[in-house]
Amino acid sequence: DAGVIQSPRHEVTEMGQEVTLRCKPISGHNSLFWYRQTMMRGLELLIYFNNNVPIDDSGMPEDRFSAKMPNASFSTLKIQPSEPRDSAVYFCASSYRTEANYGYTFGSGTRLTVV
Amino acid sequence: AQSVAQPEDQVNVAEGNPLTVKCTYSVSGNPYLFWYVQYPNRGLQFLLKYITGDNLVKGSYGFEAEFNKSQTSFHLKKPSALVSDSALYFCAVRDQGGSARQLTFGSGTQLTVLP
Repeated sequence: DAGVIQSPRHEVTEMGQEVTLRCKPISGHNSLFWYRQTMMRGLELLIYFNNNVPIDDSGMPEDRFSAKMPNASFSTLKIQPSEPRDSAVYFCASSYRTEANYGYTFGSGTRLTVV
Repeated sequence: AQSVAQPEDQVNVAEGNPLTVKCTYSVSGNPYLFWYVQYPNRGLQFLLKYITGDNLVKGSYGFEAEFNKSQTSFHLKKPSALVSDSALYFCAVRDQGGSARQLTFGSGTQLTVLP
């Protein structure tokens, strides 16, 4: 298995533009998590899905952020409009079950820079 | 609520010496505990986990961790550090009896092994 695949690896965009981050979880995993990592705030859980359904989006910072999982093999995180404070590394992770004793597999992340 | 603390932002150790990265947790029930490692420009990688059973858990790359219920700790250890162990280490917890279905991560500890 190729692991959790995220694209793009790097994204530089101008303030106000729409940004879409993509994630392909491991086949067979039915839970998917989006995290944001910054020096100031560390690793923050934004949202997670179980069986393609959003379970908890309380970590989504504001309405400019939205996430979808149209099927078991694909998820997107969209920021519209983007702001410089959104600059961070965004990680996607998947797990066989939401119950975390199975652990998570993380993608390599998307480094977003908003100028 | 579940929480985890990594009291040291930075740990430096000489190559060949033993290393310890500290982690303490807080849960209302029994914990699931994890250690992850992050190398530069990479996602988090699973190292080891404690679910139940022996308090000493052995994981990847020669790492081990000891679960101490009375001290609510789960320190990561390795008998002989390698320069290649230099990375960012995260402790994570989930309360087995709690309502939260996801892991809570610590703030991370940067380990530097000096040659």
